[in-house]
Amino acid sequence: DGGITQSPKYLFRKEGQNVTLSCEQNLNHDAMYWYRQDPGQGLRLIYYSQIVNDFQKGDIAEGYSVSREKKESFPLTVTSAQKNPTAFYLCASSPPVQGAVSEQYFGPGTRLTVT
Amino acid sequence: EDKVVQSPLSLVVHEGDTVTLNCSYEVTNFRSLLWYKQEKKAPTFLFMLTSSGIEKKSGRLSSILDKKELSSILNITATQTGDSAIYLCAVEDYGGATNKLIFGTGTLLAVQP
Repeated sequence: DGGITQSPKYLFRKEGQNVTLSCEQNLNHDAMYWYRQDPGQGLRLIYYSQIVNDFQKGDIAEGYSVSREKKESFPLTVTSAQKNPTAFYLCASSPPVQGAVSEQYFGPGTRLTVT
Repeated sequence: EDKVVQSPLSLVVHEGDTVTLNCSYEVTNFRSLLWYKQEKKAPTFLFMLTSSGIEKKSGRLSSILDKKELSSILNITATQTGDSAIYLCAVEDYGGATNKLIFGTGTLLAVQP
């Protein structure tokens, strides 16, 4: 079955701890994205990567870090510097379409709660 | 600043009603507009619109883009309780070397039996 998996589904952490969210895809997509979703704010782009070993900051990258060592994997680390980390995190991927963004396919999300 | 605005923010209708959801955008390097449906978790793709005035249809759902008015509508006819979801509009910002989707806040649709 092709798709995007995110783990874990729910994650609880204490304030001040770094936490890494997993995102894996077997769709052979080049581009991968991380979004954050808060109530009433839609999806906001954290980081994206269009090719292995390369990634760019999105609109709200502060307090987050990523790596893209393999095509299939794009883990997101929420660091202690992120002031409001509690949110629903969505990972997405898309195939390359001649330099344009194709429709993005989303994983099931990880709900992170930091207390 | 590029932005995508959806209206209404939320909507409650009864089964069988027809609804129209709106999306307007101000994006400098527009390439396409996409609609997604989000029920509980992952948004699922509905439509991608690139050309003005051409309606895309899928069953009871249809959408059209108006590039002159910088807007799009999503219509759902004969609504069912299964249509209850958040509907997200996103615009592709093609910034030359990089491109990305800018999402609106979404419209929360509740269909009552």
